[in-house]
Amino acid sequence: DAGITQSPRYKITETGRQVTLMCHQTWSHSYMFWYRQDLGHGLRLIYYSAAADITDKGEVPDGYVVSRSKTENFPLTLESATRSQTSVYFCASSDGLARPQETQYFGPGTRLLVL
Amino acid sequence: GDSVTQMEGPVTLSEEAFLTINCTYTATGYPSLFWYVQYPGEGLQLLLKATKADDKGSNKGFEATYRKETTSFHLEKGSVQVSDSAVYFCAPRDAGNMLTFGGGTRLMVKP
Repeated sequence: DAGITQSPRYKITETGRQVTLMCHQTWSHSYMFWYRQDLGHGLRLIYYSAAADITDKGEVPDGYVVSRSKTENFPLTLESATRSQTSVYFCASSDGLARPQETQYFGPGTRLLVL
Repeated sequence: GDSVTQMEGPVTLSEEAFLTINCTYTATGYPSLFWYVQYPGEGLQLLLKATKADDKGSNKGFEATYRKETTSFHLEKGSVQVSDSAVYFCAPRDAGNMLTFGGGTRLMVKP
């Protein structure tokens, strides 16, 4: 299907486990983003990527790892999950061209619960 | 960096009431401005945008005008419907393609 997808949609894990959240987009957008959404904080940027093999930290990167070996995929890994990482995670993409009207397109989100 | 201040919710209105959700921002230069909407259980969707001063973005009956002098981008709708119940996010976009999101304003519309 065209668009941006995330998997899994729901995940329950335990403290200390490694978890990987997947994000896939079919538009060949150069930019991809990971956000977390928490009550009272809105959306906060975790990591972003401007192109394959180029990633950079956002506002809240600690405890997360990303990679981007292919343009269409941008997985987010929690190396050792903590309860504070319980959140809803959104992936987004944009074509990254320097046009004022350019926007980001969001996936449906992954709801993660860390016990 | 950029920052956004949105009015806190929830905002509760009756159907057909007038809606205003305030948004002010601080930014370097003149960012593009966006409103996103998040319906229950879904991701964010672009609602409307404005790319330069005095531009008015509009969609689905919602409007917002880019006010450079007051650094504001208030969202308005003349007559809300139950289906407009959602969380609304204001977001300036900087020259580096980064969006900065406000905390979101939850709108609840009652029949």
